[in-house]
Amino acid sequence: GDSVTQMEGPVTLSEEAFLTINCTYTATGYPSLFWYVQYPGEGLQLLLKATKADDKGSNKGFEATYRKETTSFHLEKGSVQVSDSAVYFCALSGPQSSYKLIFGSGTRLLVRP
Amino acid sequence: SAVISQKPSRDICQRGTSLTIQCQVDSQVTMMFWYRQQPGQSLTLIATANQGSEATYESGFVIDKFPISRPNLTFSTLTVSNMSPEDSSIYLCSYWGQGNYGYTFGSGTRLTVV
Repeated sequence: GDSVTQMEGPVTLSEEAFLTINCTYTATGYPSLFWYVQYPGEGLQLLLKATKADDKGSNKGFEATYRKETTSFHLEKGSVQVSDSAVYFCALSGPQSSYKLIFGSGTRLLVRP
Repeated sequence: SAVISQKPSRDICQRGTSLTIQCQVDSQVTMMFWYRQQPGQSLTLIATANQGSEATYESGFVIDKFPISRPNLTFSTLTVSNMSPEDSSIYLCSYWGQGNYGYTFGSGTRLTVV
């Protein structure tokens, strides 16, 4: 079945450092891909999404490109802030999963001043 | 996208009791979902709630333990029945609306069973 694999955390960075959180997926067909963020004590917020190959999703300085050839959707940000400290979830949805969201295990990011 | 509200935001319950969690969307949506997030873990889908039909449960979740109602296209409830400490988790509702490629989540219910 469909699945999502994320790099394990926690990821600890200094403010203004470059961020990459790796995400790869296994799916039949052409799923949509998502990054969600969960700030401490809060629910999930959609950060960005991409619905087809080579699409780039972007929001709040974060970017991710849908790479079908490498089945990846890595999250990047050029300069992280302390306020970016949160748990980041990669997810997919598609016809094979009956359009249910399938989540990766989540990656905790801690940004130090 | 439609606004989704969930309540209660948190509760502490005695083992053996039941808690009903409510999820309200401010416009009609086709599919609603209920997820569980155990401490420090990712989200696991409990069931899909469709208006006019019974909920579809994922492997490992049963209707007797997690009964779900979906009386209309804007509202759903999840009941956690006969609770034990192992049910302590965050429960989140979500919806997928027509044409929306991003699922929207409620703020979650943090449940502690003592």
